Amino acid sequence: GENVEQHPSTLSVQEGDSAVIKCTYSDSASNYFPWYKQELGKGPQLIIDIRSNVGEKKDQRIAVTLNKTAKHFSLHITETQPEDSAVYFCAAPQSPNSNYQLIWGAGTKLIIKP
Amino acid sequence: KAGVTQTPRYLIKTRGQQVTLSCSPISGHRSVSWYQQTPGQGLQFLFEYFSETQRNKGNFPGRFSGRQFSNSRSEMNVSTLELGDSALYLCASSLGQGASNSPLHFGNGTRLTVT
Repeated sequence: GENVEQHPSTLSVQEGDSAVIKCTYSDSASNYFPWYKQELGKGPQLIIDIRSNVGEKKDQRIAVTLNKTAKHFSLHITETQPEDSAVYFCAAPQSPNSNYQLIWGAGTKLIIKP
Repeated sequence: KAGVTQTPRYLIKTRGQQVTLSCSPISGHRSVSWYQQTPGQGLQFLFEYFSETQRNKGNFPGRFSGRQFSNSRSEMNVSTLELGDSALYLCASSLGQGASNSPLHFGNGTRLTVT
């Protein structure tokens, strides 16, 4: 089955700098990789996702890149702002065939220093 | 559109008791999934219900059970509570067409404390 590892567990960056969070997966057949953001006291919220037929996807200050050969995908946040402080989770399908459930990374706590 | 609603927000129970948590999905969503979130274990999948049937199940003991009603609302029950059951329980709803086609919409969770 799929296994997802996420690094780092905590990331502290200066406001205005960039932040990068990386996840690796084990199943080469996995084809969908979402990123969720969880703010304090709230449930996770989907912020961006990527499918295996593209290498990069951008949405304003957020981008996700996918390296299928190395089996890793990364979240990039540019020009970080205080509201980016949160826990970020990556995920991959439990089974590419079923696509029903996600296997989650352990989460990265992003701290934006003023 | 109203989001996913979970009740209650906070709950304190004693070891050995049982507890029922409730989740109201987004209107039109037929799938409801439950997750346990703890600081050390991250997001752990409990089970998923789709059209009143359990479609997927995680690796949790039988003390954890759930059900879904005809209006898609779901309840989760934990019997014989243990201290280790203290966690944030999250509910997520979706259209239920697979993880890659139906993004999960999470509620804000129920914080369960077992003493």
